[in-house]
Amino acid sequence: SYVLTQPPSVSVAPGQTAKITCGGSNIGIQSVHWYQRRPGQAPVLVIYNDGARPSGIPERFSGSKSGNAASLTITRVEAGDEADYYCQTFDLGSGHRVFGGGTKLTVL
Amino acid sequence: QVQLVESGGGVVQPGRSLSLSCAASGFKITNHVMHWVRQAPDKGLEWLALISVDGVATHYAESVEGRITISRDRTQNRLFLQMNSPTVEDTALYYCARDGAGGSFDGWGKGTLVTVSS
Repeated sequence: SYVLTQPPSVSVAPGQTAKITCGGSNIGIQSVHWYQRRPGQAPVLVIYNDGARPSGIPERFSGSKSGNAASLTITRVEAGDEADYYCQTFDLGSGHRVFGGGTKLTVL
Repeated sequence: QVQLVESGGGVVQPGRSLSLSCAASGFKITNHVMHWVRQAPDKGLEWLALISVDGVATHYAESVEGRITISRDRTQNRLFLQMNSPTVEDTALYYCARDGAGGSFDGWGKGTLVTVSS
């Protein structure tokens, strides 16, 4: 089955830039989406189709892809950004949706 | 406004079946692919199943195929999940989610907690 690989954790000081990566063998030809999950809350879509922002998501959140890796970048990080972040795509063969293992963003 | 509200969670004994429901409002589930996703304690998100727009096609994750059934009721605008023979490994927060652009999930419920325990 298709696997997306994320670093388990990323730490950043307030006001700095956080970058979370997501690796997968076919990412270059698939749409990648990103979710924020704060403790006790439902996941929220923050980036879809590699780099598009849903309504209401701050411009500080951006997405990109290069080769077989996608990235979520959060500029001017705030304490409220502390959460788990998940990338997601789908398996080209089966159409099944696939999540990365998640990255815990800690704001120092 | 898209709203999804899951129900049916609780404590279930291993081997006993469980049924979850998801009430949708603000949109018609017959216009969207719909999904179930879960998160076990201290684990990541896991996609479980989807049902197509026409309600004919269903797809399941390998980890649960054969044990779960996704279905819907268009008149109630509800999504359902039935799980047979749950084990302690099925203990998780279960979410229903709406399919969005590019296969994303653009709407989520708050989840319903299922604890499988004797």
